[in-house]
Amino acid sequence: QQQVKQSPQSLIVQKGGISIINCAYENTAFDYFPWYQQFPGKGPALLIAIRPDVSEKKEGRFTISFNKSAKQFSLHIMDSQPGDSATYFCAAAGTSYGKLTFGQGTILTVHP
Amino acid sequence: DAGVIQSPRHEVTEMGQEVTLRCKLISGHNSLFWYRQTMMRGLELLIYFNNNVPIDDSGMPEDRFSAKMPNASFSTLKIQPSEPRDSAVYFCASSLFGKAGELFFGEGSRLTVL
Repeated sequence: QQQVKQSPQSLIVQKGGISIINCAYENTAFDYFPWYQQFPGKGPALLIAIRPDVSEKKEGRFTISFNKSAKQFSLHIMDSQPGDSATYFCAAAGTSYGKLTFGQGTILTVHP
Repeated sequence: DAGVIQSPRHEVTEMGQEVTLRCKLISGHNSLFWYRQTMMRGLELLIYFNNNVPIDDSGMPEDRFSAKMPNASFSTLKIQPSEPRDSAVYFCASSLFGKAGELFFGEGSRLTVL
């Protein structure tokens, strides 16, 4: 019940295209869903997050779509740029849990 | 403001040696998390502390691993004796208490055990 499943494992997109990464969770007690971005040699950094009371959150070119009934959420990167090439992790946390559960990660490569 | 500071950034050691990884939290943060990252297993939570107290150490692989918070701003992760399968990048992250979803990670300590 604590798992967060992420797909795809890797993604290659052309510059200007849309990158889509999907995640699914099982535990309905989760109420906070962040995405982290990690560049080589660096630690993950919080990119954008959503709570289940909204279905979408947008920050610049990054959008989270959330489907509470399906227990799924996804990250969309519009107008993908080579600088977006990184590993992306979805995650989930609940107020009754003191910790974050991460998905397996998606390696995104944006070709110029 | 300084972020989470980890040391050493790289450590190469021989099997059987003791390894100590260090972490300084962001000032004002009171939750501390140790993660291990490998290609095969991704990001694994090893242990976390709230207000210097270990809350969940179920992710610690075995008794060879131990973690401490001697004060509110500093933590150590010790591996004794080290084994080649311990080779990984070890991250610590801090957050405000109750904000476990908003983690601030250090740059990691890359450990290679020969």
